[in-house]
Amino acid sequence: EPEVTQTPSHQVTQMGQEVILRCVPISNHLYFYWYRQILGQKVEFLVSFYNNEISEKSEIFDDQFSVERPDGSNFTLKIRSTKLEDSAMYFCASTRTGNGLYEQYFGPGTRLTVT
Amino acid sequence: GESVGLHLPTLSVQEGDNSIINCAYSNSASDYFIWYKQESGKGPQFIIDIRSNMDKRQGQRVTVLLNKTVKHLSLQIAATQPGDSAVYFCAWIHSGYSTLTFGKGTMLLVSP
Repeated sequence: EPEVTQTPSHQVTQMGQEVILRCVPISNHLYFYWYRQILGQKVEFLVSFYNNEISEKSEIFDDQFSVERPDGSNFTLKIRSTKLEDSAMYFCASTRTGNGLYEQYFGPGTRLTVT
Repeated sequence: GESVGLHLPTLSVQEGDNSIINCAYSNSASDYFIWYKQESGKGPQFIIDIRSNMDKRQGQRVTVLLNKTVKHLSLQIAATQPGDSAVYFCAWIHSGYSTLTFGKGTMLLVSP
């Protein structure tokens, strides 16, 4: 069964450093998402991406965040200057359509620890 | 509007019991609802979904009930098994958008 993959599984970085989290969505999916989950809290939407541009973004997704689909398979989330409060699990998800009525498939997540 | 989320943070049941996990939402414009299961260290895993034109949908051992009048969603798990132990999240999509809003999770603990 196809699945969303994410690398690395765990990333430790110092405050102020840039990090890039990588995702490989399911191959025939067209809509891609990033979510984050601070430890013990609910999952929060960050951004959605379609046709090489951002479709929607939340208030969390400020100028420190950016997304990119550099080739036909990878989907990346970059945090330019990490803060302690960026420590969280980051989940990538993809779906076949964007009309909101289809299941979003989630990856296993990357645990980001900012020290 | 803001999500109200789940009322019960932890639900403990015995193996073989039926479990009911509840979720309240506040936005009446939501038209698609999903239950996700999240095991420790893993991403959310789809369990079952329901559209707003339905009030009940059944899967394998799971049933989702939607009461739009009181903006309430529930997940029923029949014959709960130890492997069902996880955090369960409800999520919904607002009409015209494709992004999920998650409710607060409920931890389900199943004792053998």
